[in-house]
Amino acid sequence: QVELVQSGPEVRKPGASVKVSCKASGYSFNSYGINWVRQAPGQGLEWIGWISPFSGDINYAQKLQDRVTLTTDTSSTTAFMELRSLTSDDTAIYYCARERLRLLAGHSPLDFWGLGTLVTVSS
Amino acid sequence: EIVLSQSPATLSVSPGERATLSCRASQSVTNNLAWYQQRPGQTPRLLIYDASTRATGIPARFSGSGSGTEFTLTISSLQSEDFAVYYCQHYHSWPPFTFGPGTIVDIK
Repeated sequence: QVELVQSGPEVRKPGASVKVSCKASGYSFNSYGINWVRQAPGQGLEWIGWISPFSGDINYAQKLQDRVTLTTDTSSTTAFMELRSLTSDDTAIYYCARERLRLLAGHSPLDFWGLGTLVTVSS
Repeated sequence: EIVLSQSPATLSVSPGERATLSCRASQSVTNNLAWYQQRPGQTPRLLIYDASTRATGIPARFSGSGSGTEFTLTISSLQSEDFAVYYCQHYHSWPPFTFGPGTIVDIK
């Protein structure tokens, strides 16, 4: 069965960086795009970016593109999201999620989600 | 960037009643629109994709319609487990794949 297991909660000071991991299993990792989404406390869902584990193609939300880096390690079927220069506004649950269709079919909605990683930014 | 708006922000409904939620896109997304449900403390769950197709395991009381810029999610007879926040998201053409701000469905 498809599973996305994310790393544990993180606490960082303003100005620091954080790297969240998302270990995928139960499907062909290279064949499906991974999206990252975040949710600040009591707020809605915010799309962060997309990465193709097959080609390494990436697309970021314009708001975060200067501070975020998405990567994958196909040998360990793990996706990573690194966010730099953290501020209190980055306090949120960060989710990884898999697209429903294989990459060759184009983009598709998110059918499997990790449980989320809480990142708290506080001095 | 395509912007999605949702209305109403909050919908108060009695159990057993019908709920109708709207999502509007700032430009056409054809039928590349999905709906997600997020219960308190849970991760989002895909309900509807391609505007009108129910995802695996989603009950028939959930239905989606629309195309272009106007979309609707209908819950025909609300059950207790349906009280949640509902988000629309587009996946048209190329990222960013923005979400709408959400509609809270709560108990009247």
